[in-house]
Amino acid sequence: GENVEQHPSTLSVQEGDSAVIKCTYSDSASNYFPWYKQELGKRPQLIIDIRSNVGEKKDQRIAVTLNKTAKHFSLHITETQPEDSAVYFCAASRTGGGNKLTFGTGTQLKVEL
Amino acid sequence: DSGVTQTPKHLITATGQRVTLRCSPRSGDLSVYWYQQSLDQGLQFLIQYYNGEERAKGNILERFSAQQFPDLHSELNLSSLELGDSALYFCASSETSGLDTQYFGPGTRLTVL
Repeated sequence: GENVEQHPSTLSVQEGDSAVIKCTYSDSASNYFPWYKQELGKRPQLIIDIRSNVGEKKDQRIAVTLNKTAKHFSLHITETQPEDSAVYFCAASRTGGGNKLTFGTGTQLKVEL
Repeated sequence: DSGVTQTPKHLITATGQRVTLRCSPRSGDLSVYWYQQSLDQGLQFLIQYYNGEERAKGNILERFSAQQFPDLHSELNLSSLELGDSALYFCASSETSGLDTQYFGPGTRLTVL
């Protein structure tokens, strides 16, 4: 089955700096890659997703890049703010057989003032 | 608020017992998913139902079962509970059975003593 690895497990940045979180996946048939943000004690919330027919997607301060050849995708957050502090999860899924999301192990992002 | 509701919020029970977790999807969503989140296992997909039918299955234990009813709400039944079943159980929903955005509910925290 699919395996998703995520790095780093913790990331501390200064407010205004950029943050990058990286994930690799094992199943070359995976074609949907969402990113979720989970604040302490809260539910995961989708922040951005990308499908395998595009290499990059941007939404204001958040961007995701996908390298299908390397089976690698990354989340980029620019101009970080304290409210960006949370755990971020990458995930992967593939067409056929429903929409089973395989999640990475999460990255605890801390934005310091 | 994602529009997905889950009850109860918290559940404390003893080993060997059986519990039922309930989920109501967003209005119009036909797919319901169940995930388990624990400190050591991360976010793990359990099962997906689409319009009453099982659509995808993860590493769900035989002691666990789920169903989706004609009104589209879903229940996750956990039996012969063990200490290791203590976790946060999330329900999510999406419009179709395919690679749509999954919206997560607030979760049910299960503690097995």
